Amino acid sequence: DIHMTQSPSTLSASVGDRVTITCRASQSISDWLAWYQQKPGKAPNLLIYKTSNLKSGVPSRFSGSGSGTEFTLTISSLQPDDLATYYCQQYSAYPRTFGQGTKVEVK
Amino acid sequence: EEQLVESGGGLVQPGGSLRLSCAASGFTFRRFAMTWVRQAPGRGLQWVSTITDTGGSTYYADSVKGRFTVSRDNSENTVYLQVNSLRDEDTALYYCAKGSGWHDPWGQGTLVTVSS
Repeated sequence: DIHMTQSPSTLSASVGDRVTITCRASQSISDWLAWYQQKPGKAPNLLIYKTSNLKSGVPSRFSGSGSGTEFTLTISSLQPDDLATYYCQQYSAYPRTFGQGTKVEVK
Repeated sequence: EEQLVESGGGLVQPGGSLRLSCAASGFTFRRFAMTWVRQAPGRGLQWVSTITDTGGSTYYADSVKGRFTVSRDNSENTVYLQVNSLRDEDTALYYCAKGSGWHDPWGQGTLVTVSS
């Protein structure tokens, strides 16, 4: 199985800060990576697919990059609405696997 | 608007069974694979199963293989997850989601609680 590791597990940042979340795969997944945002008490929502493709309607302050085994999700200017847990997911192989999540708190 | 609505969850004793359903609308259901993902209370997301568009292929997490069965009815725009031999560790919110790669959209989930 491909293991996905996110860091940090929790981060606290101020409104307007640039925030970066890292996701590492235990083996190469090319660019078969998605990012999801899950707000408290809600279902996950897709933010980015195939590493860097922003889903329609997602604010442009979100961006993704990487390839192979190392990937990043960046929020260019953190907003109060971005309070959520963020998950990466690989779809290079079965079983599909998720990172453990990164909880973003807004100071 | 694409929408997924799950149902069928509930409280069940260890060893029991349930059939979860996910009704789809707003897209051509028969053209897309469908996936089940679960989330135990306070925990992260765990992929459970995927079924291809025709139902010809199915995939399962090792933790549920042999106990869970995914199926679909393209005439009813519905995907199912039969969950048998339930264990305490199967307690979770079960989401269905569109797609076999990235998943979008997700339903609101149906809660399965395994407890005696």
